[in-house]
Amino acid sequence: DAGITQSPRHKVTETGTPVTLRCHQTENHRYMYWYRQDPGHGLRLIHYSYGVKDTDKGEVSDGYSVSRSKTEDFLLTLESATSSQTSVYFCAIRAHNSPLHFGNGTRLTVT
Amino acid sequence: GQNIDQPTEMTATEGAIVQINCTYQTSGFNGLFWYQQHAGEAPTFLSYNVLDGLEEKGRFSSFLSRSKGYSYLLLKELQMKDSASYLCAVRFVGTDKLIFGTGTRLQVFP
Repeated sequence: DAGITQSPRHKVTETGTPVTLRCHQTENHRYMYWYRQDPGHGLRLIHYSYGVKDTDKGEVSDGYSVSRSKTEDFLLTLESATSSQTSVYFCAIRAHNSPLHFGNGTRLTVT
Repeated sequence: GQNIDQPTEMTATEGAIVQINCTYQTSGFNGLFWYQQHAGEAPTFLSYNVLDGLEEKGRFSSFLSRSKGYSYLLLKELQMKDSASYLCAVRFVGTDKLIFGTGTRLQVFP
């Protein structure tokens, strides 16, 4: 999977709790992305990073924050989870002028 | 906006040819990608077009017309394993973002 690992693979949490999803890469790629995928909406970009401590918002960033303190790790945090954030979350990485390579996804359920 | 449109669902028969279309906003276009996604799995990269014309990779080909804001993915000699969702994604100038369409679910029948 292009040296990309997401953890956890599955998580169930309660409304109002904080949640952090981790994306780890061993490819030393500059660019990292967080997407969510929902029926009828496809893949929607939450946040992305173009280097250590360099991040920017995507289409659906409200309610999410990210951090990238090391090249290999990109963390996605839901400060206070809501039921609308129940989704499958995909991390992706890419090198310059290369296509995205996706991790295996994290299935998050907010009850 | 950056609307990317594809049909929601398509069906085809094993051994046949199917064409999946994708239209997008032309302003600032800087490359188009096709991905395949089997149910419950991650998307995997199929093809990339940035110039007009046809790119061929075995049974799969992808075509681009920049002036029309139009691309298609052509799948030949369909196999049952080609049943999957096919995602069109566009990159725009001045951004590192890749914006996806909602995907086309293809079902291949015997």
